[in-house]
Amino acid sequence: SQQGEEDPQALSIQEGENATMNCSYKTSINNLQWYRQNSGRGLVHLILIRSNEREKHSGRLRVTLDTSKKSSSLLITASRAADTASYFCATDEWDSNYQLIWGAGTKLIIKP
Amino acid sequence: DTGVSQDPRHKITKRGQNVTFRCDPISEHNRLYWYRQTLGQGPEFLTYFQNEAQLEKSRLLSDRFSAERPKGSFSTLEIQRTEQGDSAMYLCASSLQEGDEKLFFGSGTQLSVL
Repeated sequence: SQQGEEDPQALSIQEGENATMNCSYKTSINNLQWYRQNSGRGLVHLILIRSNEREKHSGRLRVTLDTSKKSSSLLITASRAADTASYFCATDEWDSNYQLIWGAGTKLIIKP
Repeated sequence: DTGVSQDPRHKITKRGQNVTFRCDPISEHNRLYWYRQTLGQGPEFLTYFQNEAQLEKSRLLSDRFSAERPKGSFSTLEIQRTEQGDSAMYLCASSLQEGDEKLFFGSGTQLSVL
């Protein structure tokens, strides 16, 4: 079953622009994570935000979490061609500390 | 430490055959996960090990799937009597310990069942 729903499904922007992706989920969570996946490869962890946090930064990444709306956003500033990838949000179910539930991802294309 | 490694990278098999995949997690990680991913979808949880103990298996997982992690090190995932619907990317991930939720993924094994 999938908990997260990413929006949009696909996003194409010019290099240097900012990219924003959104994730909505259904049940109470302990934390939410964002991962990146290059085509045909494994996933790479980007950032984790806990349920008691509202915003977190890591380099060019900014993540927000709104638990009242059960939603999160990932902002990539000053995008680069190397940011071209699929981005997934993953949440843990409240009563489980080892099962992550994943959305279908946002496919981001950065045009040079 | 070379990260999580999976073998093989690609596997093509005929329907009805058995296949086995291997995952070597990061050496000090005691948690190991198997996921399945189809094109355009996120990873789907299959099973999870804490050291050598298999603590959870997806209710959606067919009895044809079995996983082991002898001695709490590497893990194998076997699919018996493969079906075309088993075609997917099989991903292995590991994490350090309870409370550290960040997963480190291998590059996956792409299975094609003809």
